[in-house]
Amino acid sequence: GQSLEQPSEVTAVEGAIVQINCTYQTSGFYGLSWYQQHDGGAPTFLSYNGLDGLEETGRFSSFLSRSDSYGYLLLQELQMKDSASYFCAVGRGGATNKLIFGTGTLLAVQP
Amino acid sequence: DTAVSQTPKYLVTQMGNDKSIKCEQNLGHDTMYWYKQDSKKFLKIMFSYNNKELIINETVPNRFSPKSPDKAHLNLHINSLELGDSAVYFCASGTGGYEQYFGPGTRLTVT
Repeated sequence: GQSLEQPSEVTAVEGAIVQINCTYQTSGFYGLSWYQQHDGGAPTFLSYNGLDGLEETGRFSSFLSRSDSYGYLLLQELQMKDSASYFCAVGRGGATNKLIFGTGTLLAVQP
Repeated sequence: DTAVSQTPKYLVTQMGNDKSIKCEQNLGHDTMYWYKQDSKKFLKIMFSYNNKELIINETVPNRFSPKSPDKAHLNLHINSLELGDSAVYFCASGTGGYEQYFGPGTRLTVT
C-alpha cells in the first residue's frame, strides 16, 4: 500500500519561511508532487521531484530524499495569499498515472 | 477559455436519487480523472480514463459509473445516492505525468 503523512497545520507570519514535510511509504516510488488548494478552490500543481535534491520555482522550492522516503515544500517570503492547504502526492508516470495524495497541511499566514 | 470545467458546481439531493456530474477539458489531454475529497479534505482517486478507455478503477461502489464519450469529456453517474456520498468531486486531466489540471469541483450534498 501507499501512505503519505504531513503535519495537519502550520502557522507562520508574512515574510517568513516555512517548510512543510512529507514522509511516505510506498510499494514503489515514482516521484513526489506538490499541490496547493485554497479554501473552496481546486488543487493546483506546484512542483515535482523525480530525483533527489532541490527544485526551485520562484518563492517555492521542493526537496526529495528517496533514501529517507521524505520530501518537503519550502515557501519563502510568505504572503497572505499563500494561506491554503498543501498536499504532497506520489505516483507514476505514463497513461496509468495514479496520484496518491497526502493528508494535507493547512498553512495559515498571519500578518 | 476554462481549461477543465465541471457542471454543476453545487448539487443538493435526497438519499436514493440518481445524479450525474459532467466534466469537459479543452487542453487536449488524453487522460482524465475523477477524485473525491471528503470533509477532512482527503483527496482520493476514483477513476481514470485514457483516450476513452477505463484504466484506473479504485475500490468504488458499483453505484458510481463513469463514462467517457470522447477524450475531452468524462462524466460521473451516481445511483441510489447515500449520505456518505456527500463530498466534493473533482475532475482532472493530464498527459500522464505528475502535473494534473483540476476542475473547480462539484460539491455534492445528500440529505
